[in-house]
Amino acid sequence: AQKITQTQPGMFVQEKEAVTLDCTYDTSDPSYGLFWYKQPSSGEMIFLIYQGSYDQQNATEGRYSLNFQKARKSANLVISASQLGDSAMYFCAMTSRQMGKLIFGQGTELSVKP
Amino acid sequence: GAVVSQHPSWVICKSGTSVKIECRSLDFQATTMFWYRQFPKQSLMLMATSNEGSKATYEQGVEKDKFLINHASLTLSTLTVTSAHPEDSSFYICSARDTAGASGTYEQYFGPGTRLTVT
Repeated sequence: AQKITQTQPGMFVQEKEAVTLDCTYDTSDPSYGLFWYKQPSSGEMIFLIYQGSYDQQNATEGRYSLNFQKARKSANLVISASQLGDSAMYFCAMTSRQMGKLIFGQGTELSVKP
Repeated sequence: GAVVSQHPSWVICKSGTSVKIECRSLDFQATTMFWYRQFPKQSLMLMATSNEGSKATYEQGVEKDKFLINHASLTLSTLTVTSAHPEDSSFYICSARDTAGASGTYEQYFGPGTRLTVT
């Protein structure tokens, strides 16, 4: 069965510090994709970063990087130099060739303190 | 590029009435669109997968007669909540997959969501 898990319901981080949001997944499909999305209070889903199962290097997009540990089935999001505007819900998501659809983790609410 | 719109962005309706929500891919064609539902402080739950020109595939537990999905063209899918009740109040989000997307990429593009309140 395909599953994706975020075990941190809420996280606090001081402005300008780095923070890691955890995500673990489970799939038997060798071809899959992992995503992180940010959802501010407005509700829109903002795509942050993508990691394919065959990608050799960890994905990076500006202040966002994905710590992909395939053997441990984890895909943690690292946000460097946190900003007040980073306060939002963050969702880890997975899809696979087999699944054809995106499934989401439970989400982590990140609060950045000034 | 890759913009998905939803209309309306919010709607209030009376119990027992039906509400239609539109999801459009503005600058790409989408053979497949997805409809999600999200309650406050919870994750997105996939309701159904909408395929252009064919019947939607509903997730387990989703009433197909209550949530009617039509995907009549490569740029438009609609979700109709029939005989809405207060428990149907939720945030509904659609997403679309680019038909012409490179093989092996799985990215979906999300609409801004529709907030439905049933009184």
